[in-house]
Amino acid sequence: SQQGEEDPQALSIQEGENATMNCSYKTSINNLQWYRQNSGRGLVHLILIRSNEREKHSGRLRVTLDTSKKSSSLLITASRAADTASYFCAGTTRDAGGTSYGKLTFGQGTILTVHP
Amino acid sequence: DGGITQSPKYLFRKEGQNVTLSCEQNLNHDAMYWYRQDPGQGLRLIYYSQIVNDFQKGDIAEGYSVSREKKESFPLTVTSAQKNPTAFYLCASSIAWREGLMDEQFFGPGTRLTVL
Repeated sequence: SQQGEEDPQALSIQEGENATMNCSYKTSINNLQWYRQNSGRGLVHLILIRSNEREKHSGRLRVTLDTSKKSSSLLITASRAADTASYFCAGTTRDAGGTSYGKLTFGQGTILTVHP
Repeated sequence: DGGITQSPKYLFRKEGQNVTLSCEQNLNHDAMYWYRQDPGQGLRLIYYSQIVNDFQKGDIAEGYSVSREKKESFPLTVTSAQKNPTAFYLCASSIAWREGLMDEQFFGPGTRLTVL
Protein backbone atom coordinates (compact mmCIF):
# COMPACT_ATOMS: atom_id res chain seq x y z
CA SER A 1 0.00 0.00 0.00
CA GLN A 2 1.11 3.55 -0.60
CA GLN A 3 2.49 5.41 2.39
CA GLY A 4 1.77 8.81 0.92
CA GLU A 5 -1.23 10.05 -0.96
CA GLU A 6 -0.85 13.33 -2.79
CA ASP A 7 -3.59 15.83 -3.38
CA PRO A 8 -4.49 17.14 -5.86
CA GLN A 9 -3.68 14.55 -8.52
CA ALA A 10 -3.18 17.34 -11.04
CA LEU A 11 -2.65 21.08 -10.69
CA SER A 12 -2.56 23.65 -13.47
CA ILE A 13 -1.44 27.23 -12.79
CA GLN A 14 0.03 30.30 -14.47
CA GLU A 15 3.64 31.33 -14.18
CA GLY A 16 4.21 33.49 -11.13
CA GLU A 17 1.46 31.86 -9.08
CA ASN A 18 2.12 29.69 -6.05
CA ALA A 19 1.54 25.93 -6.17
CA THR A 20 0.56 23.92 -3.11
CA MET A 21 0.56 20.16 -3.01
CA ASN A 22 -0.51 18.04 -0.07
CA CYS A 23 0.49 14.62 1.12
CA SER A 24 -1.23 12.42 3.68
CA TYR A 25 0.20 9.26 5.15
CA LYS A 26 -1.16 6.40 7.18
CA THR A 27 1.48 5.32 9.68
CA SER A 28 4.10 7.02 11.80
CA ILE A 29 7.15 8.29 9.96
CA ASN A 30 10.73 9.14 10.81
CA ASN A 31 11.08 11.61 8.01
CA LEU A 32 9.24 12.62 4.90
CA GLN A 33 10.84 13.49 1.60
CA TRP A 34 9.65 15.27 -1.51
CA TYR A 35 10.89 14.36 -4.98
CA ARG A 36 10.36 15.80 -8.43
CA GLN A 37 10.16 13.84 -11.69
CA ASN A 38 10.24 15.31 -15.15
CA SER A 39 8.39 13.26 -17.73
CA GLY A 40 10.19 9.99 -18.49
CA ARG A 41 13.13 10.78 -16.23
CA GLY A 42 14.48 9.73 -12.86
CA LEU A 43 13.49 11.38 -9.61
CA VAL A 44 15.33 14.30 -8.07
CA HIS A 45 15.36 14.86 -4.34
CA LEU A 46 13.94 18.25 -3.30
CA ILE A 47 13.76 18.36 0.46
CA LEU A 48 13.66 16.17 3.56
CA ILE A 49 11.79 17.07 6.72
CA ARG A 50 12.23 15.09 9.93
CA SER A 51 9.39 14.10 12.22
CA ASN A 52 10.50 16.61 14.87
CA GLU A 53 10.46 19.50 12.39
CA ARG A 54 7.38 21.51 11.47
CA GLU A 55 8.60 23.61 8.57
CA LYS A 56 11.56 23.73 6.24
CA HIS A 57 12.61 26.03 3.43
CA SER A 58 14.83 25.57 0.42
CA GLY A 59 14.90 28.37 -2.12
CA ARG A 60 11.36 28.73 -3.50
CA LEU A 61 10.24 25.57 -1.72
CA ARG A 62 8.51 25.44 1.64
CA VAL A 63 7.54 22.17 3.26
CA THR A 64 5.40 21.76 6.34
CA LEU A 65 4.76 18.67 8.39
CA ASP A 66 1.90 18.05 10.78
CA THR A 67 2.46 14.71 12.49
CA SER A 68 -0.81 14.95 14.42
CA LYS A 69 -2.73 15.08 11.14
CA LYS A 70 -0.27 12.82 9.35
CA SER A 71 0.08 15.30 6.55
CA SER A 72 2.65 17.41 4.76
CA SER A 73 2.48 20.16 2.18
CA LEU A 74 4.87 21.41 -0.46
CA LEU A 75 4.60 25.02 -1.54
CA ILE A 76 6.40 26.30 -4.61
CA THR A 77 6.37 30.08 -4.71
CA ALA A 78 6.56 32.24 -7.84
CA SER A 79 6.28 29.19 -10.09
CA ARG A 80 8.03 28.95 -13.44
CA ALA A 81 7.27 26.93 -16.56
CA ALA A 82 10.36 24.84 -15.72
CA ASP A 83 8.63 23.68 -12.51
CA THR A 84 6.29 21.59 -14.66
CA ALA A 85 6.77 18.03 -13.41
CA SER A 86 5.32 15.35 -11.15
CA TYR A 87 5.92 15.73 -7.44
CA PHE A 88 6.02 12.82 -5.03
CA CYS A 89 6.12 12.56 -1.28
CA ALA A 90 7.81 9.55 0.28
CA GLY A 91 8.03 8.34 3.84
CA THR A 92 9.56 5.48 5.75
CA THR A 93 7.33 2.55 6.51
CA ARG A 94 6.78 1.45 10.05
CA ASP A 95 4.62 -1.34 11.41
CA ALA A 96 2.12 -1.01 14.25
CA GLY A 97 4.85 -1.78 16.75
CA GLY A 98 6.98 1.10 15.53
CA THR A 99 9.61 -0.99 13.77
CA SER A 100 10.93 0.79 10.74
CA TYR A 101 11.76 -1.23 7.69
CA GLY A 102 14.01 1.55 6.50
CA LYS A 103 12.33 1.74 3.12
CA LEU A 104 10.82 4.69 1.34
CA THR A 105 7.21 4.32 0.24
CA PHE A 106 6.03 6.72 -2.46
CA GLY A 107 2.65 8.27 -3.13
CA GLN A 108 1.09 8.46 -6.57
CA GLY A 109 2.22 12.01 -7.16
CA THR A 110 0.80 15.37 -8.17
CA ILE A 111 1.21 16.45 -11.79
CA LEU A 112 1.98 20.17 -11.84
CA THR A 113 1.64 22.15 -15.06
CA VAL A 114 2.82 25.75 -15.08
CA HIS A 115 1.69 27.73 -18.11
CA PRO A 116 3.96 30.53 -19.37
CA ASP B 1 31.19 13.11 -12.98
CA GLY B 2 29.47 11.27 -10.15
CA GLY B 3 26.07 9.68 -10.40
CA ILE B 4 23.98 6.67 -11.24
CA THR B 5 23.75 5.24 -14.71
CA GLN B 6 21.20 2.82 -16.05
CA SER B 7 21.31 1.00 -19.33
CA PRO B 8 19.77 0.59 -21.72
CA LYS B 9 17.35 3.51 -21.81
CA TYR B 10 14.81 1.51 -23.81
CA LEU B 11 14.52 -2.27 -23.87
CA PHE B 12 12.21 -4.53 -25.81
CA ARG B 13 11.70 -8.12 -24.86
CA LYS B 14 9.70 -10.99 -26.22
CA GLU B 15 7.41 -12.86 -23.89
CA GLY B 16 9.16 -15.74 -22.15
CA GLN B 17 12.62 -14.13 -22.20
CA ASN B 18 14.65 -13.06 -19.23
CA VAL B 19 16.28 -9.65 -19.43
CA THR B 20 18.81 -7.88 -17.22
CA LEU B 21 18.79 -4.16 -16.48
CA SER B 22 22.06 -2.53 -15.52
CA CYS B 23 22.58 -0.07 -12.66
CA GLU B 24 25.96 1.39 -11.78
CA GLN B 25 26.89 4.11 -9.27
CA ASN B 26 30.17 5.84 -8.53
CA LEU B 27 28.94 7.70 -5.46
CA ASN B 28 30.45 5.16 -3.05
CA HIS B 29 26.98 4.51 -1.63
CA ASP B 30 26.33 1.39 0.39
CA ALA B 31 22.59 1.11 -0.23
CA MET B 32 20.94 0.54 -3.59
CA TYR B 33 17.33 0.09 -4.66
CA TRP B 34 15.18 -0.96 -7.59
CA TYR B 35 11.74 0.52 -8.19
CA ARG B 36 9.04 -0.05 -10.73
CA GLN B 37 6.80 2.77 -11.97
CA ASP B 38 3.62 2.23 -13.95
CA PRO B 39 1.87 5.06 -15.86
CA GLY B 40 0.35 7.63 -13.52
CA GLN B 41 1.59 5.76 -10.48
CA GLY B 42 4.14 6.21 -7.77
CA LEU B 43 7.19 4.01 -7.30
CA ARG B 44 6.99 0.52 -5.88
CA LEU B 45 10.03 -1.14 -4.35
CA ILE B 46 11.20 -4.36 -5.99
CA TYR B 47 14.47 -5.15 -4.18
CA TYR B 48 16.97 -3.31 -2.04
CA SER B 49 20.49 -3.91 -0.89
CA GLN B 50 21.97 -2.54 2.31
CA ILE B 51 25.51 -3.62 1.56
CA VAL B 52 27.56 -5.72 -0.82
CA ASN B 53 26.56 -9.40 -0.99
CA ASP B 54 23.25 -8.69 0.72
CA PHE B 55 19.82 -7.88 -0.65
CA GLN B 56 16.21 -8.01 0.51
CA LYS B 57 12.84 -8.35 -1.20
CA GLY B 58 10.73 -5.25 -1.46
CA ASP B 59 6.99 -5.05 -1.93
CA ILE B 60 6.78 -6.58 -5.43
CA ALA B 61 9.75 -8.94 -5.77
CA GLU B 62 7.95 -11.82 -7.48
CA GLY B 63 9.31 -12.45 -10.97
CA TYR B 64 12.49 -10.45 -10.35
CA SER B 65 16.00 -11.29 -9.15
CA VAL B 66 19.06 -9.22 -8.24
CA SER B 67 22.68 -9.59 -7.26
CA ARG B 68 25.11 -7.33 -5.42
CA GLU B 69 28.58 -8.69 -6.01
CA LYS B 70 30.16 -5.25 -6.21
CA LYS B 71 29.42 -2.07 -4.33
CA GLU B 72 29.00 -0.11 -7.55
CA SER B 73 26.64 -2.48 -9.33
CA PHE B 74 23.11 -3.75 -8.65
CA PRO B 75 21.69 -5.46 -11.76
CA LEU B 76 18.03 -6.43 -11.94
CA THR B 77 16.82 -9.45 -13.91
CA VAL B 78 13.23 -9.49 -15.06
CA THR B 79 12.35 -13.13 -15.47
CA SER B 80 9.68 -14.80 -17.56
CA ALA B 81 7.78 -15.39 -14.31
CA GLN B 82 6.95 -11.68 -14.08
CA LYS B 83 3.41 -11.55 -15.46
CA ASN B 84 3.27 -7.90 -16.44
CA PRO B 85 6.83 -6.62 -16.88
CA THR B 86 6.16 -3.63 -19.15
CA ALA B 87 7.03 -0.62 -16.98
CA PHE B 88 9.58 2.08 -16.22
CA TYR B 89 12.36 0.79 -13.95
CA LEU B 90 14.32 3.11 -11.70
CA CYS B 91 17.47 2.38 -9.76
CA ALA B 92 18.52 4.48 -6.78
CA SER B 93 21.22 4.62 -4.14
CA SER B 94 21.76 6.27 -0.78
CA ILE B 95 24.82 6.83 1.35
CA ALA B 96 24.14 4.19 3.93
CA TRP B 97 21.45 2.05 5.42
CA ARG B 98 20.41 3.51 8.73
CA GLU B 99 17.57 1.66 10.36
CA GLY B 100 14.65 3.95 10.92
CA LEU B 101 16.16 6.96 9.20
CA MET B 102 16.10 7.18 5.46
CA ASP B 103 18.59 9.39 3.70
CA GLU B 104 18.12 11.13 0.40
CA GLN B 105 18.05 8.73 -2.52
CA PHE B 106 19.77 9.48 -5.80
CA PHE B 107 18.07 8.13 -8.89
CA GLY B 108 19.26 6.96 -12.25
CA PRO B 109 17.53 8.06 -15.49
CA GLY B 110 15.51 4.85 -15.74
CA THR B 111 14.99 2.02 -18.21
CA ARG B 112 11.73 1.66 -20.06
CA LEU B 113 10.99 -2.01 -20.64
CA THR B 114 8.39 -3.09 -23.17
CA VAL B 115 7.34 -6.69 -23.63
CA LEU B 116 6.22 -7.44 -27.15
